[in-house]
Amino acid sequence: QKEVEQDPGPLSVPEGAIVSLNCTYSNSAFQYFMWYRQYSRKGPELLMYTYSSGNKEDGRFTAQVDKSSKYISLFIRDSQPSDSATYLCAMSALGAQKLVFGQGTRLTINP
Amino acid sequence: GAVVSQHPSRVICKSGTSVKIECRSLDFQATTMFWYRQFPKQSLMLMATSNEGSKATYEQGVEKDKFLINHASLTLSTLTVTSAHPEDSSFYICSAREGGDSGNTIYFGEGSWLTVV
Repeated sequence: QKEVEQDPGPLSVPEGAIVSLNCTYSNSAFQYFMWYRQYSRKGPELLMYTYSSGNKEDGRFTAQVDKSSKYISLFIRDSQPSDSATYLCAMSALGAQKLVFGQGTRLTINP
Repeated sequence: GAVVSQHPSRVICKSGTSVKIECRSLDFQATTMFWYRQFPKQSLMLMATSNEGSKATYEQGVEKDKFLINHASLTLSTLTVTSAHPEDSSFYICSAREGGDSGNTIYFGEGSWLTVV
C-alpha cells in the first residue's frame, strides 16, 4: 500500500462546476499538507499549504484536512478552463525533509 | 509565493557529454533543495536531497556518480548529468524548502527538459 493514494483520473467537468480532489494517507505522523498544480511541461506550483487539521480558503480554492480519517481534499469553485492541469497532493511529517506525493489527478475543465 | 529559478529550461546534448542544471532560490535561503525526475504522465520521482554544505542524500537506485549534486550556497544547487545517454532524457525539476515560520513549505522550479541525442 502506498503512503499516499490519489485517484489519477482523468477527471473531466464542465466549466463552472465544483471540483473535489482527494487524497488518503496511511502515515499518522504527517502534519504538513500541500496541494500543487502542474501544467503540462511545467514545474508544480504551490496552491495551498495547511498545517495539521482544518480548512483553509484562498479565492476559489478550499483545502480541507481531516486527520482522524487521514483524508485531505481540495475544492475548486466556479471552475475555469485555465484550471485544467494535474493536481498533486503532498504531505510530510514534522521534522521530515521529504515530501510524499500522490500520483496526481489530471483535471480537465470543459468550456 | 517564493520563487525558485531553474536553468536551462531546455537543453540538448550529445551522448557521452555532461550537462549541468542550476536551481536557485531567488528570494529566500534554502538549506535544503530536492531534485526530481518526472516521466510523461507520471508523478515526481525524488532523486536526491541536497543540503547546503554537505553531501547529497540519494534515493535508492539513483547513481551518485552519474547524477552529481552540489549545494554550494544557501541559494544554489546544481545537478550535473555525467556521460549522458539517451535514456537520461527526461524532465528534471528542483525544489527548495523555505524554512523558518513557513515550516515545510516547498517551492518548485519550472523544470528542465533534457534531451540526449
